[in-house]
Amino acid sequence: GAVVSQHPSWVICKSGTSVKIECRSLDFQATTMFWYRQFPKQSLMLMATSNEGSKATYEQGVEKDKFLINHASLTLSTLTVTSAHPEDSSFYICSASAFQGNVAKNIQYFGAGTRLSVL
Amino acid sequence: GQQLNQSPQSMFIQEGEDVSMNCTSSSIFNTWLWYKQDPGEGPVLLIALYKAGELTSNGRLTAQFGITRKDSFLNISASIPSDVGIYFCAGRYTGTASKLTFGTGTRLQVTL
Repeated sequence: GAVVSQHPSWVICKSGTSVKIECRSLDFQATTMFWYRQFPKQSLMLMATSNEGSKATYEQGVEKDKFLINHASLTLSTLTVTSAHPEDSSFYICSASAFQGNVAKNIQYFGAGTRLSVL
Repeated sequence: GQQLNQSPQSMFIQEGEDVSMNCTSSSIFNTWLWYKQDPGEGPVLLIALYKAGELTSNGRLTAQFGITRKDSFLNISASIPSDVGIYFCAGRYTGTASKLTFGTGTRLQVTL
C-alpha cells in the first residue's frame, strides 16, 4: 500500500515559536495532500487542502496566516504553525491522495501524525 | 465543519463476539471509507466502497454502502484483542476533489 511519512512525530515548543511539520508520500506522487487536526477523543477535522504548485484551500475558521502550508513538489507538503500558543497544542495529521486509475476512486493515505505541545 | 453521525460511540465486547457499527449522513456521498486509528497513530484504511448497495469484505471485516447513499455500516466478526482502537467512517461528495468528511468515531474495546 501507499506510504505517507510525517515528521516529526512529536514536538514540544515554547509559546511564540514556529513549528514546521513535513508530510511526504514515499512511493507515489500525490497531487493533493490534506492537513487535519485532532483533539483528544475527537474526530479528525480538515484544516486545509493542498495542491502541488498552488495555494492551499483552507476550511472555514482556519487561519491561513497562522497555519502556513507549502506543497512545493508532488511528494512533499509542509505545515508551519506560526507563533504557536498553548491552544494550538493538538495532534496534526496529514494525508496524501493516491490516484487509483479513476479520480472518483482516489484514496487518502494518512501519515502517523505529529503531536504538538506548546508550553 | 460537518461530521457524520457514527454509532455506537463506544463499545466493550468480549473476544470472539461480532461487532457492528454504522454511520449516517443527512447528505448523499458517492464514496464511503472505513478507517481504524490506533492511539498516537494516523488512520489506516480498512475498506473503500464506491457504489450504492456495494458489500465488500476484508478478512473478518465487512462493510456496506447504503442504498440511500446516506449511510454505511461496518461489521467485524469474531473479534480479537488487536481489533481494539477507534473506527472512523468517512464520506466523500462528488466533485469535492477527494475531500473527506469524517464520522465521530466508534471506540472499540475487546476483553478476553
